[in-house]
Formats: sequence, structure tokens, C-alpha cells
Amino acid sequence: GAVVSQHPSWVICKSGTSVKIECRSLDFQATTMFWYRQFPKQSLMLMATSNEGSKATYEQGVEKDKFLINHASLTLSTLTVTSAHPEDSSFYICSARVPVKRTDTQYFGPGTRLTVL
Amino acid sequence: AQTVTQSQPEMSVQEAETVTLSCTYDTSESDYYLFWYKQPPSRQMILVIRQEAYKQQNATENRFSVNFQKAAKSFSLKISDSQLGDAAMYFCAYRWGYGGSQGNLIFGKGTKLSVKP
Repeated sequence: GAVVSQHPSWVICKSGTSVKIECRSLDFQATTMFWYRQFPKQSLMLMATSNEGSKATYEQGVEKDKFLINHASLTLSTLTVTSAHPEDSSFYICSARVPVKRTDTQYFGPGTRLTVL
Repeated sequence: AQTVTQSQPEMSVQEAETVTLSCTYDTSESDYYLFWYKQPPSRQMILVIRQEAYKQQNATENRFSVNFQKAAKSFSLKISDSQLGDAAMYFCAYRWGYGGSQGNLIFGKGTKLSVKP
């Protein structure tokens, strides 16, 4: 199956700093990538949808100036958490979609644990 | 609005036994897709099985099978011959289209499955 990687897998940062998380589709081209946030023992919450070459679409309640998303190529999307604060600590998961109509399937990265001190 | 409900927060099964996880959904669409994802302690989301609503035949993947009842809007997952490695969070997910926001997955809250040796 298709492989999606994320880097880093775990990051600790000080409050007020910015953190960038990378999401790569390793063996396929993904026109669409998704960013999710998952709190402990909860489901995945969609933050934004990222399309290559265009601006990301953010879900209601997600601050686009706080969570900057860039989809620079068909294999790379980045999420930058700007001026991070402890409440931004969470598990961030990306996924990439292979948009082949009925076989359209999302493949997930292994996630990034962000801890803001 | 489309919703996915998993009414069992936690389930437990004895190794080698069979367990069924429940999922119901609400939609007015006739053509859609349903998925079961597994999230083990590593937190990597893994696609277990998918079902296309236009197909009457229930999907099967080795020890995993679904009972898809379209009229009842029910989509349960049966795990046969449970193994210790099956212990994980299981998320039911729904998608009604492909491309754009129609292709976004809607997740249930998850069911935590424990497997007893």
C-alpha cells in the first residue's frame, strides 16, 4: 500500500516558538493532503485540507494564521504551528489521498507528537 | 448532517474468539463509502476494510469482515480468531464523494478493543 511519512515524530518546543511538521507521500503523488489533530483518547479532528498549488481550506474554528499549511509539491505538505503555546500540545496526523474516484483512499502518516512547554 | 456513531467506547475479547464492533451512520446520500481504521498504540492509522455502498456483498479481508445493512445504516466489523495484535482503537469512517470536501472522512469516536490472552 501507499506510504505516508511524517517528520519529526516527536517535538518539544518552548512557548512562543514555531514548529514545522512535514508530511510526505513516498511512493505516490497526492493532490490532496489532510491535517488532523487528535487529543488523548479522542477521535481525529480534521483541521484543514491541503491541495497542491492552492491555499488550504480550514475547518471552522481552526485559526489559519496559527496553523500555516503549505502544499508545495505533489508529495509534500507542511504544517507550521506559529507561536506555539501549551494548549497546542497534541498529536498531529497527516493523510494523503489518491483521488482515483471510486478507489479514492486516504493513507495516514504515523503522526507527530507536539509538546509545548 | 452526516454523522458516524460508535456506541461502544470499549470492548473486550478473549484471544481466538470473535468480536463485533458496532457502527451506525446517518446520511441522505445513496452512494458512499464506509471504512474501518485501526489505530494501535503506535497511533499509526491503518485501513482495515472498506465497503462501497453500491455493493450488496459484504467486504471481507482475512479475519475481518463487515455486516453492511444499508437500509438500517449500520456497518459493523467482525473480527474472527482475535489475536493480541488486534488490540487497538477502531474507528468507523464515512465518505460520500471524492474530490473536494465531499471526499473528507467523517470519523466516529472510536472503540477501544482489548484482547485477553
